Amino acid sequence: EAGVTQSPTHLIKTRGQQATLRCSPISGHTSVYWYQQALGLGLQFLLWYDEGEERNRGNFPPRFSGRQFPNYSSELNVNALELEDSALYLCASRGLGTDQPQHFGDGTRLSIL
Amino acid sequence: AQSVTQLGSHVSVSEGALVLLRCNYSSSVPPYLFWYVQYPNQGLQLLLKYTSAATLVKGINGFEAEFKKSETSFHLTKPSAHMSDAAEYFCAVTDYQRGGKLIFGQGTELSVKP
Repeated sequence: EAGVTQSPTHLIKTRGQQATLRCSPISGHTSVYWYQQALGLGLQFLLWYDEGEERNRGNFPPRFSGRQFPNYSSELNVNALELEDSALYLCASRGLGTDQPQHFGDGTRLSIL
Repeated sequence: AQSVTQLGSHVSVSEGALVLLRCNYSSSVPPYLFWYVQYPNQGLQLLLKYTSAATLVKGINGFEAEFKKSETSFHLTKPSAHMSDAAEYFCAVTDYQRGGKLIFGQGTELSVKP
C-alpha cells in the first residue's frame, strides 16, 4: 500500500511570494490534516479536510489556506510569505474514525529567503 | 482542553540499556494516545497507539507503552536500545471532539551511545 506522498520535497521562496504544497493520502483515506513543524515551535495543527470540505483550522492567519479535491488529495497554499513561515509542512491522512492513527508523509521543507 | 507534556527534551542511553521516554497527558475525556518517531529529514512514523483497549500496548521495533489513567501517563519503553533507535520521539493525543487533530508534546530526542 502506498503511503502519504507530498510534493515538492523542498521549496525555496522569497518574502511576499506564494507557495503551493501538495499531498496525496493513502488510498481509501478521506481525511487529510496539515501540520507545521517550525524550529522551536514544535508540531502545530494547521488544517483538516474531510470529504472535500475544510472542517477545522488551527491558530494560523487566513493567508494559510487549502483545498481538498474529489480524489481526496489536498493542496496547502500560503500567500504573502513571511520569513517565519520557514518550516517543514507535514501532511497526514486518516481512515474512518477518530480512533484511527494518522499516517504522515515525509513533508515539504519550505524555506523563505 | 487536551495537552501533552513530554519530560526531557533530550535523553541519552547506552546501546543495550533500557529506553524510557516520559509522556503525561491532560484530557477531560478518555484519550486516544499515540507515539510517533521522526528520523532526520523524514516525516512521522507511527510506533503505537492506545484507543481504550489493553492498557499495555506493543508497537513496532520492540517499543511498548503503558496507559496509566491514575497517573495520566503513557510512557514509552524499550528493554534494549539499538543505535538505530536514535531519533526524535513525539507523544500525541487526539482531540476527537474537534475532528481528530493531533496535539503533540514537545518531542524527546533520543541519543544512543555505543
